[in-house]
Amino acid sequence: EPEVTQTPSHQVTQMGQEVILRCVPISNHLYFYWYRQILGQKVEFLVSFYNNEISEKSEIFDDQFSVERPDGSNFTLKIRSTKLEDSAMYFCASSERVAGALAKNIQYFGAGTRLSVL
Amino acid sequence: QKEVEQNSGPLSVPEGAIASLNCTYSDRGSQSFFWYRQYSGKSPELIMSIYSNGDKEDGRFTAQLNKASQYVSLLIRDSQPSDSATYLCAAGGKLIFGQGTELSVKP
Repeated sequence: EPEVTQTPSHQVTQMGQEVILRCVPISNHLYFYWYRQILGQKVEFLVSFYNNEISEKSEIFDDQFSVERPDGSNFTLKIRSTKLEDSAMYFCASSERVAGALAKNIQYFGAGTRLSVL
Repeated sequence: QKEVEQNSGPLSVPEGAIASLNCTYSDRGSQSFFWYRQYSGKSPELIMSIYSNGDKEDGRFTAQLNKASQYVSLLIRDSQPSDSATYLCAAGGKLIFGQGTELSVKP
């Protein structure tokens, strides 16, 4: 069964360092998303990406964050200068999301990357 | 601010009972609603999606949507210990999640 793949499963970094989280969405999906979940808190939307550009972003997704689809399969989230409060689980998701077809909006999540900023 | 609210629980039910999980949402424009299950330390796993008023059944799970009341619910029949998890209600295209309801099914 197709699945969203995320690497690494756990990333430890020092405050101020740059990190890149990687995702391989399901192959025929058109929309890609990043969410984060701070320990004990709700899952929060960060950004959605379609047709090689950001379609929507939240207030959390400030200038320290960027997303990229460097090739036909990978989708990355970069945090330029990590802060302690960036420590969280980061989930990538993808959906077919064909316009006018609500059923295609179902988002499938990867296993997540646990980011620990020390 | 678009919000999704859930009763936080924990909700404890005996094995074989019906578990009832509830959710309200603030954005009247939302058209898509989802229930995800999340085991501790794992990612959200889709259980049900619902788009129209009324009930939608899939095996032991029934989702109910009432757009007039801005209310979504999930019923789990014949609850099993393996159903013990946190259940997340989500709405919209960019998913807005509730804080989750922790369900514990006791053998």
